[in-house]
Order: sequence, then C-alpha cells, then structure tokens
Amino acid sequence: NAGVTQTPKFQVLKTGQSMTLQCAQDMNHEYMSWYRQDPGMGLRLIHYSVGAGITDQGEVPNGYNVSRSTTEDFPLRLLSAAPSQTSVYFCASSYQIGQGIGEQYFGPGTRLTVT
Amino acid sequence: AQKVTQAQTEISVVEKEDVTLDCVYETRDTTYYLFWYKQPPSGELVFLIRRNSFDEQNEISGRYSWNFQKSTSSFNFTITASQVVDSAVYFCALSDRGNTGKLIFGQGTTLQVKP
Repeated sequence: NAGVTQTPKFQVLKTGQSMTLQCAQDMNHEYMSWYRQDPGMGLRLIHYSVGAGITDQGEVPNGYNVSRSTTEDFPLRLLSAAPSQTSVYFCASSYQIGQGIGEQYFGPGTRLTVT
Repeated sequence: AQKVTQAQTEISVVEKEDVTLDCVYETRDTTYYLFWYKQPPSGELVFLIRRNSFDEQNEISGRYSWNFQKSTSSFNFTITASQVVDSAVYFCALSDRGNTGKLIFGQGTTLQVKP
C-alpha cells in the first residue's frame, strides 16, 4: 500500500493564482481531512469528509474548497491564493473501529509559498 | 468546547535524561480518543499511540510511556533515557465529537535532545 499520497511536495504561487493540492489514499478509509501547519499553531483543520460525496468545514475553511467524488481522492482547491495561505498542508485519512476512530494516517505534506 | 493544551513550547535535555511532555485536554464527551504524534525534522507525522477514554491503564512501549488520568484530563508522555533521535516536535490530539475522523491538535512541544 502507498498509504496517503500528496502532490506536489512544493509549490510557489503568486497572489491571486489558483491551484489544487492532490491527496489520495489506498486504504479504503472512510474519513479524510486536510490540515494546515503554521509555526507555533499546531495543525488546524481546513475541511474534512466522512465519506464519498460528504464534506464539511473545519476550523479554517476560508479560501479553500474540497470535494470527494471517490473514497480514494480528496483534493483541496485554493481559489485565489493569498500570502496568508503560505503553510505546510497535510492530508490525512482514518477509519472507524467499532464506535470510535483509528489513528490518522498522514501524507508527506505540501509546502506552499504564496508571494 | 474541545481543546488540547501543550503548555511546554520547547524542552531541551541532555541525552539519557528522562523527559515528560504534558498534555491537558478539554471535552464534554464521555467517549473520546487521545493520540500522540511525532514530527521529526524531516517533517512527516508519525503515529505513536491511540488511547480510548475508557482505558486508563498506563502504557509502555520500549523507552516510551504514557500516563492517562481522566481525573485531571491529562495524557502525558514520558521518554526514558532520551536519545538524539528523539529530537522532534510532539503533538497531542483529541478526537472530535462524533465519528467524523477529525482530530483537535495541541500546539506541539519541540524536544531537543543534546548529545
């Protein structure tokens, strides 16, 4: 299994440009999430999904869109990049165990710089 | 509101010292899960442990041990005989309400182990 894959690993954008960060998992996990990591702030949830066709907003959703047309893929779209979106982005997937959830598997991250 | 607090921003120890990383959480749920993740300088997030709120037994895995105390809402992590390879950022996380797969992360503790 490849686990959780993310592309690209690095990206530089100019203010106002749009782009899509790709995320895929091959573990048939129900849950997928996008986080951003900024210095001193831990990981903050952007959007999440509990299954194909179902998405919802997390703590910091503004400026981002997601969709989940398949179990495997969960792309994150930046609509109009801003310098405040400079960050490291992590995609994660997890699964249900009984009434609870298992650990989250994280992708390697995408380091995005917006100039 | 759910919250995770890691009050120690940075800790520096000399190799072979024992070190404890603190984690305090807030939740009104009776069933929840707690996690620890390690982020080494290479940047990936490595799962360390998952703990169910109904299981208050301490756990030991090699040099790592975890002390879960519901009475004080704490889930502390101890590294015994620290090594340079333990240098990393450590995150404590709490499962969000309901089975959504979301985690709420603390701000992280940066551990530096000096030779």
